[in-house]
Amino acid sequence: QLQLNESGPGLVKPSETLSLICTVSGASLSSGPYYWGWFRQSPGKGLEWIGGLYYSGTPYYNPSLKSRVTISADRSKNQLSLTVASVTAADTAVYYCARDLTISGEVFRGYFSPWGQGVLVTVSS
Amino acid sequence: EVVLTQSPATLSLSPGERATLSCRASQSVSNYLAWYQQKPGQAPRLLIFDASKRATDIPARFSGSGSGTDFTLTISSLEPEDFAVYYCQQRSNWPPVTFGQGTRLDIK
Repeated sequence: QLQLNESGPGLVKPSETLSLICTVSGASLSSGPYYWGWFRQSPGKGLEWIGGLYYSGTPYYNPSLKSRVTISADRSKNQLSLTVASVTAADTAVYYCARDLTISGEVFRGYFSPWGQGVLVTVSS
Repeated sequence: EVVLTQSPATLSLSPGERATLSCRASQSVSNYLAWYQQKPGQAPRLLIFDASKRATDIPARFSGSGSGTDFTLTISSLEPEDFAVYYCQQRSNWPPVTFGQGTRLDIK
């Protein structure tokens, strides 16, 4: 059964870099044709797609965040990583990772299930 | 960017009643729309995709309809566990995807 688990520091100082890990079990990041995404949820902006990575390694980013975001994979550890540079209070949110919906082997691109449980990151000095 | 507008913001109903939630897109998204349920402290859970297809293990009381710019999520008879926040999400011009701001379904 596919499970995703986000982890990382809960508190980051303004102007520093936020770094999170999504550990995947029950599936391989290298197995196609899946897409692995990062999302966040803040009280002010609701749910927001940050970006993600195809199994091939091709990243796609939300244009509004692209200049500050990097998403990559450590295939030896089966982990997806997210870094957000130059954070401000507006980056305070619960961060989630998720995978493409798959039903009976068919991938439904752009819909997401399952999701990890999420990790709260607060940006504050 | 496609903007999704959900209404109402809050809906107060009693168990056993029928719930109707709306999602309107700023431009046509064909049928590329999903609905998620989120309970406090939990991740979103996918209920409906492609506007009307139920995801795995989703009860039949949940149904979706619509195409183009106007969509509806209907819960035919509310169970106590259905009181939550519901979000719509579109993927018509993947990537990106965008979400609505949510409808909170409260117990009356």
